[in-house]
Amino acid sequence: QKEVEQDPGPLSVPEGAIVSLNCTYSNSAFQYFMWYRQYSRKGPELLMYTYSSGNKEDGRFTAQVDKSSKYISLFIRDSQPSDSATYLCAMSEPNDYKLSFGAGTTVTVRA
Amino acid sequence: NAGVTQTPKFQVLKTGQSMTLQCAQDMNHEYMSWYRQDPGMGLRLIHYSVGAGITDQGEVPNGYNVSRSTTEDFPLRLLSAAPSQTSVYFCASSDRGKGNQPQHFGDGTRLSIL
Repeated sequence: QKEVEQDPGPLSVPEGAIVSLNCTYSNSAFQYFMWYRQYSRKGPELLMYTYSSGNKEDGRFTAQVDKSSKYISLFIRDSQPSDSATYLCAMSEPNDYKLSFGAGTTVTVRA
Repeated sequence: NAGVTQTPKFQVLKTGQSMTLQCAQDMNHEYMSWYRQDPGMGLRLIHYSVGAGITDQGEVPNGYNVSRSTTEDFPLRLLSAAPSQTSVYFCASSDRGKGNQPQHFGDGTRLSIL
């Protein structure tokens, strides 16, 4: 079993829809949780960065962490065609710079 | 501000050849790492460094070598290329501040081994 599980999709939604992405994990020591966005032929870019449990909002993006269920989510409101990309979840233990990644979910927002 | 720069962007090698993938960052980050990305497998850590002169193995280190002589540069060497090393390679860096700091990635080197 992988340490971080992420549904690879693909996910296709109409413009303006809410996109819901999630990851589950098995390592209870993870405390730092990240979402990266990766456009085709580009490197991952950091979208959201959260510590421990709770919610974090940044514009149209909301990240949620539920450590009791070992489950994290990313919501994209009012999705745009420019949101079409692969979204990767990543996580790490405290004071450990190594990241464990999910496989990535490919999202297409149709105009 | 260039961030993390990787060269070359593309490379085709024959089995058994060696080569070095270059990575440079201009953010004075102490932590640097190399990942490979394969379809359906996400990014897997190859090697990492927490500062000049210090390197360690990640999840998939076999067939790769690294060194860190300066803060800015962290090259990845393929000693004898194999078809299984066909992948996209990403270099990342982060500040070694209080708590875990997010990592910044380059745009990758696409490597094909024939």
